[in-house]
Amino acid sequence: NAGVTQTPKFRVLKTGQSMTLLCAQDMNHEYMYWYRQDPGMGLRLIHYSVGEGTTAKGEVPDGYNVSRLKKQNFLLGLESAAPSQTSVYFCASSSTADAGDQPQHFGDGTRLSIL
Amino acid sequence: RKEVEQDPGPFNVPEGATVAFNCTYSNSASQSFFWYRQDCRKEPKLLMSVYSSGNEDGRFTAQLNRASQYISLLIRDSKLSDSATYLCVVEYYTGGFKTIFGAGTRLFVKA
Repeated sequence: NAGVTQTPKFRVLKTGQSMTLLCAQDMNHEYMYWYRQDPGMGLRLIHYSVGEGTTAKGEVPDGYNVSRLKKQNFLLGLESAAPSQTSVYFCASSSTADAGDQPQHFGDGTRLSIL
Repeated sequence: RKEVEQDPGPFNVPEGATVAFNCTYSNSASQSFFWYRQDCRKEPKLLMSVYSSGNEDGRFTAQLNRASQYISLLIRDSKLSDSATYLCVVEYYTGGFKTIFGAGTRLFVKA
């Protein structure tokens, strides 16, 4: 029972490089999210998706793009990495959130360092 | 002002102690409330939802005070394994549900 799987778990990039973080969930959840977590800041929402083919901006979307071509996958892209994007990235999913009270299930994170 | 505020701690308590965390939120229209637990270098995991009437799960009790806009988490008979960061989470509806995570309160339980 995998739940939410993120790849890679660690990555070091040079400024200006691009990369894609992958998130896959096997719980048939409609909602998927990408967060970043920085010391003292808590989790901040980057982008989210309410279903296959749809995405929306969160609190800190600049410098990131996302795609949800399949219901089970949510990809986060960094087009031109900057040191300010050094962070721990978490993907999460939840069942239909319209009713509220639906907890999010998290992947175990991707630690990304931009030099 | 942050939408969800928590005392960052750390709280250092001996085993067996009772410890309480508070969390305040700014949006009076908030509808759903949760406590998550996050171990060092791990992902957040749901600890418990918080209901209007208050709810208990073993040694953990969560309460909601809508009038004062805060939620609390009480841990009784602390165990070493309770050492973690506890995240307060609030949701409200704004054309879709918006989830706000607090920055967390760190707890260290010592033998």
